[in-house]
Amino acid sequence: DTGVSQNPRHKITKRGQNVTFRCDPISEHNRLYWYRQTLGQGPEFLTYFQNEAQLEKSRLLSDRFSAERPKGSFSTLEIQRTEQGDSAMYLCASSFPPFSGERETQYFGPGTRLLVL
Amino acid sequence: AQSVTQPDIHITVSEGASLELRCNYSYGATPYLFWYVQSPGQGLQLLLKYFSGDTLVQGIKGFEAEFKRSQSSFNLRKPSVHWSDAAEYFCAVGAFNTDKLIFGTGTRLQVFP
Repeated sequence: DTGVSQNPRHKITKRGQNVTFRCDPISEHNRLYWYRQTLGQGPEFLTYFQNEAQLEKSRLLSDRFSAERPKGSFSTLEIQRTEQGDSAMYLCASSFPPFSGERETQYFGPGTRLLVL
Repeated sequence: AQSVTQPDIHITVSEGASLELRCNYSYGATPYLFWYVQSPGQGLQLLLKYFSGDTLVQGIKGFEAEFKRSQSSFNLRKPSVHWSDAAEYFCAVGAFNTDKLIFGTGTRLQVFP
């Protein structure tokens, strides 16, 4: 199975620490997305990449958040100086490029659950 | 602005009963519509999608959904629910000129034997 994978699956950290999450998309997908899901809510868009280019960032993505996709394959999401409000599930998704027949269908990974103490 | 409303926060049905989960969207043009399912602590699995064409779409696990433009709705249905269908269901809308999905707040489905 070559679905979207995310590591780690769970992360517990203390307030003020930095954390980094990794996402490996489906290999033939060139688009990669990050979403955040808090308890009882639907996922909220954070940012997305086409190949290595970051094309859109949500206003939810404060300056403490940074995402990279240096070689157009895997991506990392880093949160600096974590706050308790950052506790959430961080979901990664990937999709085919547009006009490929699959249009904008996004396939999600299992997520990384972050708990900030 | 695009938005998705799932009016039912929690639905309980008996196993074998029929199911309909409601989804209403707000978008100026023809949207791309999706239903995803999420089991506790897991990521989202795509159930079905609508881009164009036939307004009744079939998905996995026996689910179907109908796009009704006049009602701005995309309700999810299943004729006979199984206990394994208990999960959280999310409706989402995507648009041609953006690449993000806008999700509803979800409907939690509980199935009694």
